[in-house]
Amino acid sequence: KAGVTQTPRYLIKTRGQQVTLSCSPISGHRSVSWYQQTPGQGLQFLFEYFSETQRNKGNFPGRFSGRQFSNSRSEMNVSTLELGDSALYLCASSLAATGGGYTFGSGTRLTVV
Amino acid sequence: EDQVTQSPEALRLQEGESSSLNCSYTVSGLRGLFWYRQDPGKGPEFLFTLYSAGEEKEKERLKATLTKKESFLHITAPKPEDSATYLCAVQANDYKLSFGAGTTVTVRA
Repeated sequence: KAGVTQTPRYLIKTRGQQVTLSCSPISGHRSVSWYQQTPGQGLQFLFEYFSETQRNKGNFPGRFSGRQFSNSRSEMNVSTLELGDSALYLCASSLAATGGGYTFGSGTRLTVV
Repeated sequence: EDQVTQSPEALRLQEGESSSLNCSYTVSGLRGLFWYRQDPGKGPEFLFTLYSAGEEKEKERLKATLTKKESFLHITAPKPEDSATYLCAVQANDYKLSFGAGTTVTVRA
């Protein structure tokens, strides 16, 4: 059974650019959530999608956005990149509508220079 | 605002030396408390979900317990392969997951 797949694994972008990260959940999982992980702030919730609808959003600026497609795959976009956006971006999926045990992908390591 | 505090920040153990990690939380309506293990450069790996006070879950050398204000992860007779960062998270009624900063466990042979 394939796990949560995130692409790309590594990314280097220049300040001011925009970036799109992709997440393919486990087959059958309809809930997909995104997190930013940095050494200073730890794991912080970005947003969660369930059946193509954003169900919740964390305290991040509007430069961070996402969407979910009908096949449950999800994308996250960050516009006007800042140096502080350098982080590991993690995607997690869950089978249950009520959350439950989330399975995480290996993440995308974004470096902004 | 939901808060999760984990202690200690780091724990160094000798192989076979049992210990406990603490996760204290405040949340507006607990939907579930989760424990994860994270190895360097990888995403968190799911360990347990606890839903109500008094509940306990076990997996190999790990045992998680839950009270109304905190959770403990007990590591019994740890081995070097148990070295990792252990993360605690709570899910509130709005489905948000709030994570603690984690406890980094190092087990020496």
